[in-house]
Amino acid sequence: GIQVEQSPPDLILQEGANSTLRCNFSDSVNNLQWFHQNPWGQLINLFYIPSGTKQNGRLSATTVATERYSLLYISSSQTTDSGVYFCAVEPTGTASKLTFGTGTRLQVTL
Amino acid sequence: SQTIHQWPATLVQPVGSPLSLECTVEGTSNPNLYWYRQAAGRGLQLLFYSVGIGQISSEVPQNLSASRPQDRQFILSSKKLLLSDSGFYLCAWSRGQVGAPQHFGDGTRLSIL
Repeated sequence: GIQVEQSPPDLILQEGANSTLRCNFSDSVNNLQWFHQNPWGQLINLFYIPSGTKQNGRLSATTVATERYSLLYISSSQTTDSGVYFCAVEPTGTASKLTFGTGTRLQVTL
Repeated sequence: SQTIHQWPATLVQPVGSPLSLECTVEGTSNPNLYWYRQAAGRGLQLLFYSVGIGQISSEVPQNLSASRPQDRQFILSSKKLLLSDSGFYLCAWSRGQVGAPQHFGDGTRLSIL
């Protein structure tokens, strides 16, 4: 099956810093989503981005499908950004089934 | 707009007891429905998905089963829970289109004693 690797696995930032999270995947995909899992376990949809670039406030994401990677940018980080960030992909030909990466655990400190 | 409800939020059950977790979706028809499990400190694993009433596909062999008695209702069950069934269970829905984004419920935290 498809392999989804996220880096770095852990990240500690001071409030106000910027960061880039990366997601590499091993095969072509129909769908790629970025999620934020907050400390209460809720999975929040950040981006639906099978290709191209999107921005939402301090967050933006870019997927280069031909090179099989996606990047999530967090600018001016805040303590509320803490949690785990997951990349999930729907491989071509798998009928809407998402495969999740292992996540990046982000801690933003004051 | 569409919403997804999942309950209970937390559950503590003894080994060998039965399980029933329920998920319902509002505001859409004929959605794809999914059950995922997340073990502590790990990513999500797809357990079951359904493209219609009575149509269930299992992704991994396990002690659990799923049913879809109504279009927007998805139930996760077990006849006898094992310690290894502990975890965080999330329900999700998507439109029935290739590449459609999935939307998740708030999850059920299940502890087996």
